[in-house]
Amino acid sequence: AQSVSQHNHHVILSEAASLELGCNYSYGGTVNLFWYVQYPGQHLQLLLKYFSGDPLVKGIKGFEAEFIKSKFSFNLRKPSVQWSDTAEYFCAVNGFYNQGGKLIFGQGTELSVKP
Amino acid sequence: AAGVIQSPRHLIKEKRETATLKCYPIPRHDTVYWYQQGPGQDPQFLISFYEKMQSDKGSIPDRFSAQQFSDYHSELNMSSLELGDSALYFCASSSSGLAGGLDTQYFGPGTRLTVL
Repeated sequence: AQSVSQHNHHVILSEAASLELGCNYSYGGTVNLFWYVQYPGQHLQLLLKYFSGDPLVKGIKGFEAEFIKSKFSFNLRKPSVQWSDTAEYFCAVNGFYNQGGKLIFGQGTELSVKP
Repeated sequence: AAGVIQSPRHLIKEKRETATLKCYPIPRHDTVYWYQQGPGQDPQFLISFYEKMQSDKGSIPDRFSAQQFSDYHSELNMSSLELGDSALYFCASSSSGLAGGLDTQYFGPGTRLTVL
């Protein structure tokens, strides 16, 4: 079955530190890739997405992600985190053959940024 | 810009009661998805609709049913509620026209259901 794996369950950083969150998916075909952020008590908000083209995509709030097809990865990065980035981050994938548009989510990574 | 609207935002029910959750998609979005997010869990796909027809079904209990109406809003009906149904229920909408029918999903604020 198709799956999405996020390696880090909880990451703690100090402000201004660099961030990289890992995401891998298990499917050899063409997929669409997303990163969503969920601030405490809030709904999922789209950070960035990759459908095709340049594998380095830029999103909101200074986030970017790189799609590496050979590694089935779509890691999220930010050069310098802020306290306001404290949230849960979900990697999600759709486009699996014959699976419609439903998103399959990773387990999520909780990011805590210390001021 | 208009977003996905869900109502109610909070719902408290007793075991064995029924609940109806509503979702109003972004204007001109024709596809609606329902997801369930348990405490500390990732969202799990329940069911989706495209142009008022069920397009996909995930791990949705038989006690749950859903439909999409002519104005594209959707309702998730939950009967014989159990304690384990306590969760955040998200609705997401998308437009099927782009990306071969797999356009970006935009999420609503969710309905937090508590079953006592």
